[in-house]
Amino acid sequence: GQNIDQPTEMTATEGAIVQINCTYQTSGFNGLFWYQQHAGEAPTFLSYNVLDGLEEKGRFSSFLSRSKGYSYLLLKELQMKDSASYLCAVIDSNYQLIWGAGTKLIIKP
Amino acid sequence: IAGITQAPTSQILAAGRRMTLRCTQDMRHNAMYWYRQDLGLGLRLIHYSNTAGTTGKGEVPDGYSVSRANTDDFPLTLASAVPSQTSVYFCASSDTSGGADTQYFGPGTRLTVL
Repeated sequence: GQNIDQPTEMTATEGAIVQINCTYQTSGFNGLFWYQQHAGEAPTFLSYNVLDGLEEKGRFSSFLSRSKGYSYLLLKELQMKDSASYLCAVIDSNYQLIWGAGTKLIIKP
Repeated sequence: IAGITQAPTSQILAAGRRMTLRCTQDMRHNAMYWYRQDLGLGLRLIHYSNTAGTTGKGEVPDGYSVSRANTDDFPLTLASAVPSQTSVYFCASSDTSGGADTQYFGPGTRLTVL
């Protein structure tokens, strides 16, 4: 079966750094997305990785290791508005998007 | 209209009733998708359409039907609603099909079936 694992919930402090991990076991791999979803709202695109390594975009970075079936999303200089769920999604060999259940990130002052 | 819209925002429905959730996009995207999102579970694909005039089944299609008469609209119909269809429904679109394009989501419809 296909499986994507993320921690259910994480807590971090405003101004700090947090790393949200995602491991996957899928039938093939054609890329990985990270989306942000605020409570009661739609998911919005954050990043896309298809090659190994780190992609940096402002305060957010995403890392991929295809050999390990592993990705992480790194959020720096946390702000209260970063409180949201973060969804990891993998494109499998059939080019179908497989979604993780998401990680709820709680930011405390 | 900017992006992708859904209607209604929320709905309470008696079991056995028929319901159509509407989705419209103005980005001229070829591919459109319907997902349901339940607490503790990832987004699950119900149906998709790679281009106008074609549709396909996703992971959880039973009890749902779709049509794609034109590029912009992709309605989802529950023929006879059941309580297990209580969920938040998201419509999404992407420029092309195949998963590698960014998907853009509508604001969602919160459906309660009693």
